[in-house]
Amino acid sequence: AQTVTQSQPEMSVQEAETVTLSCTYDTSESDYYLFWYKQPPSRQMILVIRQEAYKQQNATENRFSVNFQKAAKSFSLKISDSQLGDAAMYFCAYRSASGNAGKSTFGDGTTLTVKP
Amino acid sequence: DTGVSQDPRHKITKRGQNVTFRCDPISEHNRLYWYRQTLGQGPEFLTYFQNEAQLEKSRLLSDRFSAERPKGSFSTLEIQRTEQGDSAMYLCASSFPDTYTGELFFGEGSRLTVL
Repeated sequence: AQTVTQSQPEMSVQEAETVTLSCTYDTSESDYYLFWYKQPPSRQMILVIRQEAYKQQNATENRFSVNFQKAAKSFSLKISDSQLGDAAMYFCAYRSASGNAGKSTFGDGTTLTVKP
Repeated sequence: DTGVSQDPRHKITKRGQNVTFRCDPISEHNRLYWYRQTLGQGPEFLTYFQNEAQLEKSRLLSDRFSAERPKGSFSTLEIQRTEQGDSAMYLCASSFPDTYTGELFFGEGSRLTVL
């Protein structure tokens, strides 16, 4: 079974600074997706960024980028120029790309605080 | 169609009562998922549907839990004989089928408190 581990329960960053959230996962598959989702307080979870395992190039979305190390099974999220609106819980998730593999497996999250 | 909607948003019930949650997915999505999230934890997979077929159920889903998706549109999650341990946020999500990117679109959740 796949597992996702986020070793940082809480992180804080100064506004306009850069922060990196860590995620490791365990799988025996070669083809899969990795995601970072953001869950603001009392609001719905939304996708931040996605990485396909077959792609060597790291995904980027504006201020958000990932460092995907397939051999190390590591998938960290870097937030540049942090903003107050980035404060949220961030979840790393794994999903197999094979057949009818429907479910995503989530880590336990990292609560990010942004200090003004 | 503005997104995934869930009803009710909050439910307080007494132990032993039955509760039902409803989820309306994004209309173009044929996959619908139920997750449970307790405070400070990540979402735990419960079950998912492709159209009206329930394709996978977690071992977390005891016999007291049942989910349906008649006609492949909205879905209901029923919990019978609720226990205090069932207190959690129940999240619904929908997605396109496998040929797409696998991104989940979440609703705002239904928070259950069992007294």
